[in-house]
Amino acid sequence: EVLLVESGGGLVQPGGSLRLSCAASGFTFSSYDMNWVRQAPGKGLESVSYISSSGTIIYYADSVKGRFTISRDNAKNSLYLQMDSLRAEDTAVYYCARDSRSDFDFWGQGTLVTVSS
Amino acid sequence: DIQLTQSPSFLSAFVGDRVTITCRASQDISSYLAWYQQKPGKAPKLLIYAASTLQGGVPLRFSGSGSGTEFTLTISSLQPEDFATYYCQQVKIYPRAFGPGTKVDIK
Repeated sequence: EVLLVESGGGLVQPGGSLRLSCAASGFTFSSYDMNWVRQAPGKGLESVSYISSSGTIIYYADSVKGRFTISRDNAKNSLYLQMDSLRAEDTAVYYCARDSRSDFDFWGQGTLVTVSS
Repeated sequence: DIQLTQSPSFLSAFVGDRVTITCRASQDISSYLAWYQQKPGKAPKLLIYAASTLQGGVPLRFSGSGSGTEFTLTISSLQPEDFATYYCQQVKIYPRAFGPGTKVDIK
């Protein structure tokens, strides 16, 4: 069974940092591209960042470019999102999602990030 | 970047109704389109990929069609468990944008 479990969310002050993790199991993690998707309260889905299976190709949404860093450790079956210079508008549930090239076929349960003073 | 629009943004329907949601892309994306269902407090669930291919385990009352810039998601006979928000997503280029969503509510 494919499982994606996010962790690391919480309350942080504006300008602060958080590191999200996504632990993967039930599939060959190193064979799949991965994504972070977020959803602000009451809003739609926003694709935040993408990383290829090898980690060599990375994309960011313009809204987080220069502030967020995606990475992965294929030996640990883990995906990460380092979030710096956080803003109130970064408040959202953050999901990791497996990329099957034609869709995001499996999602984690999400972790809530709240940026507030 | 490719932008997606969905219509309607909200619809109210009875159990048993046939429901159609439209997704339009700002440029030709061939069949690089997926549909997701999301219920409150839950992660999105993949329903359809490549515009018309049903993901395994998804009921046959769901279907997708279209190519190029116009796509539809149809629920042939709405069931109580189908009340949710539906999103389309283009997967042709990065960023893989989502549409704004269509909330399907019970009448």
